[in-house]
Parts: sequence; C-alpha cells; structure tokens
Amino acid sequence: NAGVTQTPKFQVLKTGQSMTLQCAQDMNHNSMYWYQQDPGMGLRLIYYSASEGTTDKGEVPNGYNVSRLNKREFSLRLESAAPSQTSVYFCASSGFSGSVYNEQFFGPGTRLTVL
Amino acid sequence: GEDVEQSLFLSVREGDSSVINCTYTDSSSTYLYWYKQEPGAGLQLLTYIFSNMDMKQDQRLTVLLNKKDKHLSLRIADTQTGDSAIYFCAESSNDYKLSFGAGTTVTVRA
Repeated sequence: NAGVTQTPKFQVLKTGQSMTLQCAQDMNHNSMYWYQQDPGMGLRLIYYSASEGTTDKGEVPNGYNVSRLNKREFSLRLESAAPSQTSVYFCASSGFSGSVYNEQFFGPGTRLTVL
Repeated sequence: GEDVEQSLFLSVREGDSSVINCTYTDSSSTYLYWYKQEPGAGLQLLTYIFSNMDMKQDQRLTVLLNKKDKHLSLRIADTQTGDSAIYFCAESSNDYKLSFGAGTTVTVRA
C-alpha cells in the first residue's frame, strides 16, 4: 500500500515550458487535491476533485489545469511555466464523502524550479 | 478560504513542553487538525479535534480548543529532537476543502 505517490520528485523548467505533474493514490479515495507550498504561506489549494469526473478551482488556479484521469489518478499541468510558479507541489487524497471529517493523505511533493 | 493564523517559529529545549498556537475565523468549523511536516516530506496528520470538544489527549500530545475565542493549541510534552518539524493547523467545515495556517517551525535544541 504505497498511499499517495507523485512524480517527478524534482523538476527544473525554463520559462514558457510546459509539464505535467502526476499523482496517484491506492486507497480508493473519492477526493483528490493539488496544493502549492511556499515558505511562510502555508498550503494553498490549486484545484481539487471531489469525485471521479469532477474538478473545481481552489484559491490559486491561474496558470494550471488538472485532469482526473480515473479514480486513482489526478494530474496537474503547467501550460507555460513562469518563475512565480517555482514552488513545492503536493497532491493529497481523502475518503471524504460529504461527511464533515476530512483527513487528507499527502504525497511526498514535487519541487519545481522555473528559471 | 477562511483565515487560519499561526506564529512562524518556536524554539524549545529538549525535554521541555512545546505549545503551538493557532487562531481561526470560520465559526462553522467542525473539525480542526494538526499536521506535521518533516524536512523534505509531505504532511502527516498528527491529531484532530471535533468542534464540540474542549480537549483531546493522545500520548504526549494535548489539543485544547476554545471555540468562543476560536483558538486552538497543541502541546507536546517532553519534546524530543524527532519533534523538530513544521506543524500546520487546519480547519474544515461542511465542504471538501481544508484551510491551512502558514505553519510553525519547531526547533528542538539540546
């Protein structure tokens, strides 16, 4: 049981390049999330998917797109990377189904640098 | 999202107690959580408290909730070097999202 896995662990891009961050979970969770972490800023929600087939914007969606490929996988795409997107990206999942308890399980993160 | 605030740094001597404080603004918060992030890793749930509780104890961890003042605290007894990490307070209400504080970096010194 690997939990939440993310690839790649590290990535360096040049301004304007595109890339997709991959995330998969093996806990049969309904909900999946993408967060951005910057020092002193906490975690900000980029996009989330409440269930397979749905996606919604979070606090900071501009410059990103997501795909909920199936129940296990939720990818984050940067179409044209900018230096302001240099950050650590975390994927998370939860079995949340409309009840109020929402424990989220996090992947190890992708450290992205945009030059 | 709703605001969750924490102080950014705490330094504590090994063996002492650590107290990390958090304030939140959403009066409809139902669960409040403490997550721990070790260097280079993702976040892991440490403990949580339901909003109708005042206190929860789990081994070395004690969570206190003052719902009137919207204040949450995490006390770690007998702090060890392995407790050095970033601690995040988070709250949820009746939707899919968690709102996180900025995180408190705890440094344990010998």
